Amino acid sequence: QKEVEQDPGPLSVPEGAIVSLNCTYSNSAFQYFMWYRQYSRKGPELLMYTYSSGNKEDGRFTAQVDKSSKYISLFIRDSQPSDSATYLCAIVDMDSNYQLIWGAGTKLIIKP
Amino acid sequence: EPEVTQTPSHQVTQMGQEVILRCVPISNHLYFYWYRQILGQKVEFLVSFYNNEISEKSEIFDDQFSVERPDGSNFTLKIRSTKLEDSAMYFCASSQTDSNQPQHFGDGTRLSIL
Repeated sequence: QKEVEQDPGPLSVPEGAIVSLNCTYSNSAFQYFMWYRQYSRKGPELLMYTYSSGNKEDGRFTAQVDKSSKYISLFIRDSQPSDSATYLCAIVDMDSNYQLIWGAGTKLIIKP
Repeated sequence: EPEVTQTPSHQVTQMGQEVILRCVPISNHLYFYWYRQILGQKVEFLVSFYNNEISEKSEIFDDQFSVERPDGSNFTLKIRSTKLEDSAMYFCASSQTDSNQPQHFGDGTRLSIL
């Protein structure tokens, strides 16, 4: 079964806090992991893209993959009100011509 | 930065009518995708397209649906005889190659079936 689980939230934190967003997945064969941000009435915007286990950092964002636990995380440092959006994890299913399998998305609210 | 564009942004159609949703992928991308997102639900894969043919499709993508790349720039999704349950956001995406290249999305078409 190919499932990606993600808490839909909402997650509300004060401005400046560190945010942790998480997904778990069921298929140990998954290798490519993405985080997208989606503002209201907009399409998903690619934030981070990782392949291997470990951390990848881009500015205030850090993506973490733990393949042994089948767990991926996105950390946002120094969170800003403009970070308020829905964050979706997506995993590439290489067995099905690279279609994306999506989490439900976590709605994040950063309070000024 | 190049982007995927979709038109129209909102389409309202009577049940039973045909609709065509249009997408212009990023110009040097070769792989194209359609996804849909019913309100409050997960994004769902519909179809992937490469080299003028469907490479993968989901169970959702039945005979009611078809895709086409009528020229060098457009990629369309046609829904024949629309049903109420087809109401959703439809997202087009493209990627430069397959496998480990990320997919870039348009802002979607909101399809409302009355």
